[in-house]
Amino acid sequence: AQTVTQSQPEMSVQEAETVTLSCTYDTSESDYYLFWYKQPPSRQMILVIRQEAYKQQNATENRFSVNFQKAAKSFSLKISDSQLGDAAMYFCAYRNYGQNFVFGPGTRLSVLP
Amino acid sequence: EPEVTQTPSHQVTQMGQEVILRCVPISNHLYFYWYRQILGQKVEFLVSFYNNEISEKSEIFDDQFSVERPDGSNFTLKIRSTKLEDSAMYFCASSGGQGGTDTQYFGPGTRLTVL
Repeated sequence: AQTVTQSQPEMSVQEAETVTLSCTYDTSESDYYLFWYKQPPSRQMILVIRQEAYKQQNATENRFSVNFQKAAKSFSLKISDSQLGDAAMYFCAYRNYGQNFVFGPGTRLSVLP
Repeated sequence: EPEVTQTPSHQVTQMGQEVILRCVPISNHLYFYWYRQILGQKVEFLVSFYNNEISEKSEIFDDQFSVERPDGSNFTLKIRSTKLEDSAMYFCASSGGQGGTDTQYFGPGTRLTVL
């Protein structure tokens, strides 16, 4: 069974600085998708970024980028120029074709003014 | 931008009562999902629904749960005889349509409190 691990239960970053959230996963599949979701205090789940495993190029969305290392089964999220609104729980998730999400336990990110 | 909506935002019920959580998926989506998140824990998959039937369900989704798409827009999760441990945030999600079937878009969630 696939598993997703986030080894950092909590992280903090100074406003305007850069922070990297770690995620590793376990799968025997070669084609799959990886996601980062943000859950602010409102508890809504917001898609931040996604990566297709067959693409070597790392996905980027504005201040958010990933470092996808397929061989190492690692999928870290980098947030540049951190803003107060970035404070939230961040969940890494894995999905295989035709199957459903497996979420990691989450990392709580605090942004310090 | 289209979004998934859920009602109510917060539901309080007595143990043993039935509740129905409602979701309106994004209109051209074909796949629908329910997830649960107990406070302080990770999001857990409950069930997926496609073509008017359940396509996959987890071990959490036992006989007290059921899903239905009663019309062309709503997708509901019914919990019969609620238990204290059913207290959680319930998220609906949908995927499909022009965006493909791989990205699921989540609704804002319904907070269920069982007393």
